[in-house]
Amino acid sequence: KAGVTQTPRYLIKTRGQQVTLSCSPISGHRSVSWYQQTPGQGLQFLFEYFSETQRNKGNFPGRFSGRQFSNSRSEMNVSTLELGDSALYLCASGSSGNSYNEQFFGPGTRLTVL
Amino acid sequence: GQQVMQIPQYQHVQEGEDFTTYCNSSTTLSNIQWYKQRPGGHPVFLIQLVKSGEVKKQKRLTFQFGEAKKNSSLHITATQTTDVGTYFCAGPDSWGKLQFGAGTQVVVTP
Repeated sequence: KAGVTQTPRYLIKTRGQQVTLSCSPISGHRSVSWYQQTPGQGLQFLFEYFSETQRNKGNFPGRFSGRQFSNSRSEMNVSTLELGDSALYLCASGSSGNSYNEQFFGPGTRLTVL
Repeated sequence: GQQVMQIPQYQHVQEGEDFTTYCNSSTTLSNIQWYKQRPGGHPVFLIQLVKSGEVKKQKRLTFQFGEAKKNSSLHITATQTTDVGTYFCAGPDSWGKLQFGAGTQVVVTP
C-alpha cells in the first residue's frame, strides 16, 4: 500500500497570502488529521476529518480551515498568512474515525512565510 | 484541558548506554501511543498501550503504561546510532483529539 502523500512538499509565501495544502491518505483510510509542527510548540492538533465531516478541531484561529472529499483526500487552507504560520504541516491518516488507532503520518509540507 | 508532558526534553547518550524517557498526562488516558521522528522525517508509530500496567517490548525498546494510566515510559537499552531522533508520546483527550507531548530529542555519541 502506498503511504500518506502530501503536496506540495515545500512552499514559500508572503504575509497576507493564502495557501492550500493537500493530503491523500492511505487507501481505505477514512480519517485524516492535520497537525502543525514548530520547534517551540511541538505537534499541535489542527483538525480531524472522517467521511467528509470535521469531527474535531484544535485551538487555531478561523484562518485555518479544512475539508475532506468523498475519496478521503483532504485539503487545509490558511488565509491571510502570518509569519508565525511558518511550520511543518503534517497530515495523518487512520483506519477509524478516532484517535484510538495508530496514525500514519505523511512527509509533511514545509511552509515558510516571509 | 488535558496536558501531556515529557521529560527530559533532550537526552545525550553514549552509544551502548541505556536511557529512559517519561510521559505524564494530567488526566487518565484510554491509551498511550509512542512515535519516533528521525531528523528531517515525519513521526512514525512505534506502539500503543491500552491496559493499566501494560509492558511491551520491541527488541531493545521497552514501553510501560502506568497503573493509573496517567504516565508511561520508554526505556532503550544498549543505545545505537540508529536510535537518534525525537520520541513523542500521545494520548487522546476526552474529545478524541490526539495530544502529543513535546518530545524527547535523543542524541547518540559514538
